[in-house]
Amino acid sequence: EVQLMESGGALVQPGGSLRLSCAASGFTVSSNDMSWVRQAPGKGLECVSVLSSGGTEYYIDSVKDRFTISRDNSKNMVFLQMNSLRAEDTAMYYCGRSSAAWGQGTLVTVSS
Amino acid sequence: VVMTQSPLSMPVTLGQPASISCRSSQSLERFDGNTFLNWFQQRPGQSPRRLISKVSNRDSGVPDRFSGSGSGTDFTLRISRVEAEDVGVYYCMQATHWPWTFGPGTRVEIK
Repeated sequence: EVQLMESGGALVQPGGSLRLSCAASGFTVSSNDMSWVRQAPGKGLECVSVLSSGGTEYYIDSVKDRFTISRDNSKNMVFLQMNSLRAEDTAMYYCGRSSAAWGQGTLVTVSS
Repeated sequence: VVMTQSPLSMPVTLGQPASISCRSSQSLERFDGNTFLNWFQQRPGQSPRRLISKVSNRDSGVPDRFSGSGSGTDFTLRISRVEAEDVGVYYCMQATHWPWTFGPGTRVEIK
């Protein structure tokens, strides 16, 4: 059974950093495209980053140069390093096996 | 790629059919013939769940009352007979072009 469990969300001040983690089971992270999708409170969905199975990183313009997606094949985990956080980054962040399956999410709140 | 959906809100009667339209600002057909148009359901308080991939392929465990169709820039999600558990927000999403983009969502509620 495919399972994804996100962690690392927290309340952080503007300009701060967070590292989100995603533990995967039931499939191999390195053989799949992995995604991070976010949903601001009461809003729609936005895909912020994808790491292809071949190792190519994709980012939307608003997070480019601030967020970094990576994976640890030995631990079967995916990460999202988020720097220079802004209020508009406040959202529930979901880790996905491409678009096929997502976890329950981890909440990031950027506020002073 | 901008995704639009209509309607944005849909009151439906239990047992009756429902249909959601999704349009993209450019063709979603890739050079290899694949069209990466997906449909998601998000029930209240839950994370999104994919129902349909590549226009018309139902994901495992998805009831057969859900079906998808379309091509190019115009797509449709149909629910043959709405059940109470279908209440939620439905999103179309394209993964043909980066960045992957979602429609604004259609809220389905029971009359």
